[in-house]
Amino acid sequence: EAQVTQNPRYLITVTGKKLTVTCSQNMNHEYMSWYRQDPGLGLRQIYYSMNVEVTDKGDVPEGYKVSRKEKRNFPLILESPSPNQTSLYFCASRSLGLYQPQHFGDGTRLSIL
Amino acid sequence: AQTVTQSQPEMSVQEAETVTLSCTYDTSESDYYLFWYKQPPSRQMILVIRQEAYKQQNATENRFSVNFQKAAKSFSLKISDSQLGDAAMYFCAYRSAEYKLSFGAGTTVTVRA
Repeated sequence: EAQVTQNPRYLITVTGKKLTVTCSQNMNHEYMSWYRQDPGLGLRQIYYSMNVEVTDKGDVPEGYKVSRKEKRNFPLILESPSPNQTSLYFCASRSLGLYQPQHFGDGTRLSIL
Repeated sequence: AQTVTQSQPEMSVQEAETVTLSCTYDTSESDYYLFWYKQPPSRQMILVIRQEAYKQQNATENRFSVNFQKAAKSFSLKISDSQLGDAAMYFCAYRSAEYKLSFGAGTTVTVRA
């Protein structure tokens, strides 16, 4: 089954404790991206990647890191999480071609205390 | 960053009736792509419908259709014969040649039985 898999789905942690949210897709998509969803703001892009070893900042990259060492994986890293990073996070992927829709993971609810 | 505006935070519709969700966007580009995504309480992001800006014909997917007015930069979604399963948050999204997908703040649709 074609899918984007995020882990964990829920995480409660404390300020300053490094964490990684994993994202994996099995559709051989070149393009992958991370979003955060906050009430009243919709989804905002954090980082995206056009292919292996190619990443770029989205609209809200501060406090986040990503890597793309393999085509299928695109982890999101919070080196020193802070409470303002409490949010719902989505990973998405798609093939190149502007009309291609994004396939989303099921989301990760992060709470930073 | 591109701006996508959904001016209706909430909409309510009677089962079997029709509801229209508004979306406007700001762009100076002539070639772009527009999407509507549905997010039910399960928080999955589901593609509802998509439209290419260079196509004048409005897209239709079963009970879902759009009214695309390029000059007015408007992209409304009409849900006909509303069903209880249509209850969700709906997001309008815009993508340009830069590949970045920008979302509106969302409209919550409630369906009354």
